[in-house]
Amino acid sequence: DTGVSQDPRHKITKRGQNVTFRCDPISEHNRLYWYRQTLGQGPEFLTYFQNEAQLEKSRLLSDRFSAERPKGSFSTLEIQRTEQGDSAMYLCASSLDRGYGEQYFGPGTRLTVT
Amino acid sequence: AQSVSQHNHHVILSEAASLELGCNYSYGGTVNLFWYVQYPGQHLQLLLKYFSGDPLVKGIKGFEAEFIKSKFSFNLRKPSVQWSDTAEYFCAVNAPGGSYIPTFGRGTSLIVHP
Repeated sequence: DTGVSQDPRHKITKRGQNVTFRCDPISEHNRLYWYRQTLGQGPEFLTYFQNEAQLEKSRLLSDRFSAERPKGSFSTLEIQRTEQGDSAMYLCASSLDRGYGEQYFGPGTRLTVT
Repeated sequence: AQSVSQHNHHVILSEAASLELGCNYSYGGTVNLFWYVQYPGQHLQLLLKYFSGDPLVKGIKGFEAEFIKSKFSFNLRKPSVQWSDTAEYFCAVNAPGGSYIPTFGRGTSLIVHP
């Protein structure tokens, strides 16, 4: 069990550019979640996949954000036309679809939009 | 919708002092409760969880939490903190069934002086 991994760990981009982040969950976990975390706040839910199906999206997820999990394994989160307000830590977590929902988090991708 | 309040945003203690971090949630139904911890430079990890049964739950590293249903609280405690407990602590709640999407509190930063 290598845990949840995320790539890249840090991303600096200029306003207006597109960025894509990747998350590799724990292999047997079929649920995958994306969160955004800003300084002094807890993680805020963005979207959730059960296998390859995106089942829920937060109203925080504007139309500039899109997420995929094409084969039910890794997931990508893309932000188009980045804005300075997108600067945050983007966290990925995975869990089994049984039990009580305890999640295993990756190290996060820190995005800085200049 | 659920909400979680963590009353102490910053706590500073000396080693061997006792710790209690407050967590209150707002939700009318059955909940699952969690405390997550984020050590400096590391990712979020589960500290302890409550689903049902004994309202006093024990987690890793000597932490425990008590679920008081009448007070909608799930406070975290440790009788004697160590310098290595310096971290951010997040309380979270989800509703059983469905997506298990958690709502997080904004976190408490704990600094323990040696």
